[in-house]
Amino acid sequence: GQNIDQPTEMTATEGAIVQINCTYQTSGFNGLFWYQQHAGEAPTFLSYNVLDGLEEKGRFSSFLSRSKGYSYLLLKELQMKDSASYLCAVIGSNYQLIWGAGTKLIIKP
Amino acid sequence: IAGITQAPTSQILAAGRRMTLRCTQDMRHNAMYWYRQDLGLGLRLIHYSNTAGTTGKGEVPDGYSVSRANTDDFPLTLASAVPSQTSVYFCASSDGDPNIQYFGAGTRLSVL
Repeated sequence: GQNIDQPTEMTATEGAIVQINCTYQTSGFNGLFWYQQHAGEAPTFLSYNVLDGLEEKGRFSSFLSRSKGYSYLLLKELQMKDSASYLCAVIGSNYQLIWGAGTKLIIKP
Repeated sequence: IAGITQAPTSQILAAGRRMTLRCTQDMRHNAMYWYRQDLGLGLRLIHYSNTAGTTGKGEVPDGYSVSRANTDDFPLTLASAVPSQTSVYFCASSDGDPNIQYFGAGTRLSVL
């Protein structure tokens, strides 16, 4: 079967760094996305990885290891507005997205 | 530019009733999608359309139907609503490579 695993919830402190992990087992791999979703709102695109390595975009970075079926999203200099759910999604063999259940990130002052 | 517009924002529906959720995009994207999001579960694909005139079934299509008469509109119909269809429904669209999907604000549907 196809599976994407993420921690259900994480807590971090304002100004700190947090790493949200995602492991996947899918039939085929054509890329991995991270989306941010604030409570009651729509998911919004954060990052895309298709090759191994680190992609940096401001305070957010995303890493991919295809051989390990593993990705992480790194958030630096955390702000209260970063409190949200972070969704990992893999493009499978049929080019549709397979979504993880999301990680709820709680930022404390 | 509005992006993707969904209507209604929320709805309470009696079981057995027919309901159409509307989705319109102004980005001229070829592909459109309907997802449902339930607590503790990832987004699940209901139906999709790769281009106007074509549709396909996703992971959870039973009880739902779609049409794609033109590029902009992709309505989702519940022929006879059941309580298990209580959920938040998101419409999304995408174009090009990679398949970055852009989402509407969602419709919160309660079937009683």
